[in-house]
Amino acid sequence: DVVMTQSPLSLPVTLGQPASISCTSSQNLVHSDGNTYLHWFQQRPGHSPRRLIYKVSNRDSGVPDRFSGSGSGTDFTLKISRVEAEDVGVYYCMQGTYWPTFGPGTKVDIK
Amino acid sequence: VQLVESGGGLIQPGGSLRLSCAASGFSVRTKFMSWVRQAPGKGLEWVSIIYTDGATFYADSVKGRFTISRDNYENTLFLQMSSLRAEDTAVYFCGGCEMANNMKYWGQGTLVTVSS
Repeated sequence: DVVMTQSPLSLPVTLGQPASISCTSSQNLVHSDGNTYLHWFQQRPGHSPRRLIYKVSNRDSGVPDRFSGSGSGTDFTLKISRVEAEDVGVYYCMQGTYWPTFGPGTKVDIK
Repeated sequence: VQLVESGGGLIQPGGSLRLSCAASGFSVRTKFMSWVRQAPGKGLEWVSIIYTDGATFYADSVKGRFTISRDNYENTLFLQMSSLRAEDTAVYFCGGCEMANNMKYWGQGTLVTVSS
């Protein structure tokens, strides 16, 4: 299986400040159809996960534009331009190019 | 769009359980439907997926023990679990997406506890 790693695993942030999470895959995530199936999910405490970003950089409907995704190949990044209190939770990257696998998660909380 | 799981509970090792996921707002037949689980305090693990053409796929950890299926008339997704082990203890989420190997829509989850 493709192994997904994330850093940092814990990210204390100051409200209003930016935050960045890195995700690395053990294999190149470019599919034979040319797409890169790397997605980002947010799981707030006590809630089900919610997809934020699909195929590297496409924001889901209703997701604030302070969230953005970028990257290619094996290295990807989720950025929050200005962290708000509602952004507290665990963020997972996930690849769907092969059998789906998630990263270990990055816990974001407020300093 | 709503997904409501049911069927979780406490089950002894070696036992069987069937999870259900009732969908509304879309047809399970037209989406790639999946089960993802989360052990207590742990991360997410993809368990199984059924494609729109009916093809099914499983994680190695559950292959031969779990079966995913759907009832297009009842608009419900199922996960039949047998030979359950302690390590199968988790919240099981069902979900769907227009894209294979992805989860746009998520249910609230149902807890399965395997313990004697």
